[in-house]
Amino acid sequence: EAGVTQFPSHSVIEKGQTVTLRCDPISGHDNLYWYRRVMGKEIKFLLHFVKESKQDESGMPNNRFLAERTGGTYSTLKVQPAELEDSGVYFCASSSTMVRGRAGETQYFGPGTRLLVL
Amino acid sequence: KQEVTQIPAALSVPEGENLVLNCSFTDSAIYNLQWFRQDPGKGLTSLLLIQSSQREQTSGRLNASLDKSSGRSTLYIAASQPGDSATYLCAVRYSNYQLIWGAGTKLIIKP
Repeated sequence: EAGVTQFPSHSVIEKGQTVTLRCDPISGHDNLYWYRRVMGKEIKFLLHFVKESKQDESGMPNNRFLAERTGGTYSTLKVQPAELEDSGVYFCASSSTMVRGRAGETQYFGPGTRLLVL
Repeated sequence: KQEVTQIPAALSVPEGENLVLNCSFTDSAIYNLQWFRQDPGKGLTSLLLIQSSQREQTSGRLNASLDKSSGRSTLYIAASQPGDSATYLCAVRYSNYQLIWGAGTKLIIKP
């Protein structure tokens, strides 16, 4: 069974440009999460999808970030326009859904996308 | 504010030694706690998950303990090997599904 995959693995863009990150969760996982780690800081939660719906987007830093999960399968995270402080590693994770709709306990992580904004 | 702290930030020990990594959290009303491993340039691998009702979990040479009342967890690695070299991260989940992360401990096992 394939794990969580992310594309691209690395991205180098200039300030003001747009970048779109993609995450493919484990097949059948309804829950999808985005996290990021900026240089020298802890990993921080960005948002949580349940199928195609945003369950919790309290960690999104500002309106330059837009996450979508059309059809409840893969997700994209768009940064527009990118700023220098957006540089870091963006992780995606997924988990299954347990009985009564609760999210599975273990979140499985992808390898991350390393974003550098110059 | 919910915070997770990991001490030490870095640790270097000779191969074969037993070692303990520490994680502390400010809000003891946790749902569960996970230990992850991250290799350079790689993703995050879940090592152990401890539910709030549990005291410890074991997997091979790894043992994670949880003391909710004192806000602490430890990851014990027995008979360390060079392949154990990585960054170890502690993450705490509360009632929502967010994980609150520590900064990690960078572990180097010297052959």
